[in-house]
Amino acid sequence: DGGITQSPKYLFRKEGQNVTLSCEQNLNHDAMYWYRQDPGQGLRLIYYSQIVNDFQKGDIAEGYSVSREKKESFPLTVTSAQKNPTAFYLCASSAGWKEKLFFGSGTQLSVL
Amino acid sequence: RKEVEQDPGPFNVPEGATVAFNCTYSNSASQSFFWYRQDCRKEPKLLMSVYSSGNEDGRFTAQLNRASQYISLLIRDSKLSDSATYLCVVNGGSGNTGKLIFGQGTTLQVKP
Repeated sequence: DGGITQSPKYLFRKEGQNVTLSCEQNLNHDAMYWYRQDPGQGLRLIYYSQIVNDFQKGDIAEGYSVSREKKESFPLTVTSAQKNPTAFYLCASSAGWKEKLFFGSGTQLSVL
Repeated sequence: RKEVEQDPGPFNVPEGATVAFNCTYSNSASQSFFWYRQDCRKEPKLLMSVYSSGNEDGRFTAQLNRASQYISLLIRDSKLSDSATYLCVVNGGSGNTGKLIFGQGTTLQVKP
């Protein structure tokens, strides 16, 4: 079954800690994205990657980092520099830059 | 002006009603348009793409008005299960940096 998998579903971060959210897809998509969603808000783009070994900052990249070493994987690290990390994080992929997005089921990150 | 703008609602309608949402976009070079549905604390799921000539899928009709730069979604014979947030998605413009931009969503509540 093709799809996009995010893990974990829930994640808790302590003060000053870096945490990494996993995103894997087996759709053979070139493009992958990370979005952040706050309660009652729309999705805001953190980072995106259109090809392996390349990625660009989105609208709210500060305090986050990514890597794209494999086509299938696009992990997101929430660093200690991100002072307000509590949010719902969504990973997505698409066949191309103007194609429809397929989403993972999301990770809810909370601060302890 | 926001790049993609939606009335957040909520729209409260009785079962069986017809309801319409609009979404305006600012970039006249945008080429791809979508409506996504998002249930509470879940990932967005593609409802339908929006084509220049307009398109229909069962009770749902989507239309594009390039001159006035808006897209619309019409839902006929509303069901309780249609209660959700509807996200308008537009690609940001031409070239390979035209990433998809989300509106903040319109909330629909269908009442018995």
